[in-house]
Amino acid sequence: QKEVEQNSGPLSVPEGAIASLNCTYSDRGSQSFFWYRQYSGKSPELIMFIYSNGDKEDGRFTAQLNKASQYVSLLIRDSQPSDSATYLCAVMDSSYKLIFGSGTRLLVRP
Amino acid sequence: DVKVTQSSRYLVKRTGEKVFLECVQDMDHENMFWYRQDPGLGLRLIYFSYDVKMKEKGDIPEGYSVSREKKERFSLILESASTNQTSMYLCASSLGDRGRKGYTFGSGTRLTVV
Repeated sequence: QKEVEQNSGPLSVPEGAIASLNCTYSDRGSQSFFWYRQYSGKSPELIMFIYSNGDKEDGRFTAQLNKASQYVSLLIRDSQPSDSATYLCAVMDSSYKLIFGSGTRLLVRP
Repeated sequence: DVKVTQSSRYLVKRTGEKVFLECVQDMDHENMFWYRQDPGLGLRLIYFSYDVKMKEKGDIPEGYSVSREKKERFSLILESASTNQTSMYLCASSLGDRGRKGYTFGSGTRLTVV
């Protein structure tokens, strides 16, 4: 059974801090990795994707991938209350299906 | 922007009814997917399709079927609705590169079966 694991949280950080969200996956054949943001009652929204080991930055967001450790993370710099949401890690498995973690709830305190 | 439109935001159906959930995308995406999302269980793949008239079972296909007669439309059918099918249903689509740039989701249909 291919799995994507995330801590459910909530992860609580003060406004302006760095929020660090983590994810591990079981399928070593996975090639593509995604972070989605989901506000309460809304559908998931793609934030970033990453294919290669290392870091990928987009504005206040940085995705980090370590394939040897089967570990993906998302850093959110200068966190804002509007970043409060559930963050879903998703991994495309070797048969091109997207497997989702159950999400980490992030709370940014004003 | 890719738009994925789900026909209903909220639905209430009775046990045993046949239920149709419709999904339409407007960007000529090859791939379409149906997930359900439940608290604590995350998103689980029900069915997917990589082409017209093609369908593949996901992880939890029991009690569901799908139809893809046109490229832009992917329908999920609950043959005989049961209370354990009460859930948020999410449709998604992606480009023909097997979705390497991620999926775009519709706004979801919250189905309650009573």
